[in-house]
Amino acid sequence: DAGVTQSPTHLIKTRGQQVTLRCSPKSGHDTVSWYQQALGQGPQFIFQYYEEEERQRGNFPDRFSGHQFPNYSSELNVNALLLGDSALYLCASIIRDRGSSEAFFGQGTRLTVV
Amino acid sequence: DAKTTQPNSMESNEEEPVHLPCNHSTISGTDYIHWYRQLPSQGPEYVIHGLTSNVNNRMASLAIAEDRKSSTLILHRATLRDAAVYYCILHNQAGTALIFGKGTTLSVSS
Repeated sequence: DAGVTQSPTHLIKTRGQQVTLRCSPKSGHDTVSWYQQALGQGPQFIFQYYEEEERQRGNFPDRFSGHQFPNYSSELNVNALLLGDSALYLCASIIRDRGSSEAFFGQGTRLTVV
Repeated sequence: DAKTTQPNSMESNEEEPVHLPCNHSTISGTDYIHWYRQLPSQGPEYVIHGLTSNVNNRMASLAIAEDRKSSTLILHRATLRDAAVYYCILHNQAGTALIFGKGTTLSVSS
């Protein structure tokens, strides 16, 4: 069973450009969360998708958008890139476990904005 | 999600037990206590979680205080591969996102 896969692993973009990151969740997992992790910080929640809709969103501007496809895979789009968007972007697939959740993370995409 | 407080860093020697504390004085009755860890250059990975009773698995043990206002993640014999950032998270809604804090950076020396 493949785990959570993210592509690409590394990416360099210029300020003002747009970027799309991709995530395939674990088999059978229908919920995907995206996180941004700056160097030395904990992962910051961006948003979560379930049944192809954004269900929950963290404190991120509208430049950050996403999509979930019928096969549960997901994309994170960032428009008008800023230098401060340089970070590790993590995708997690979520399963419900009694009254809580368990998250399975990918290795992340390292985005550098120059 | 309710707030947790963890030390910024801890040190341990290889093959010794490690007790990683977490304070969560505002925990609600439905909050589960989760622990994740993040090894260098990797995404976070699940370690353990519990509600009221102590929990054990192959990776670690979770000791939960009787009043649930604190918990301790116990690594019984630290190895160099346990050097990571450990996150304590409270979560109570199935299907919603886990919110991470800054965690505890554990260093393990040989």
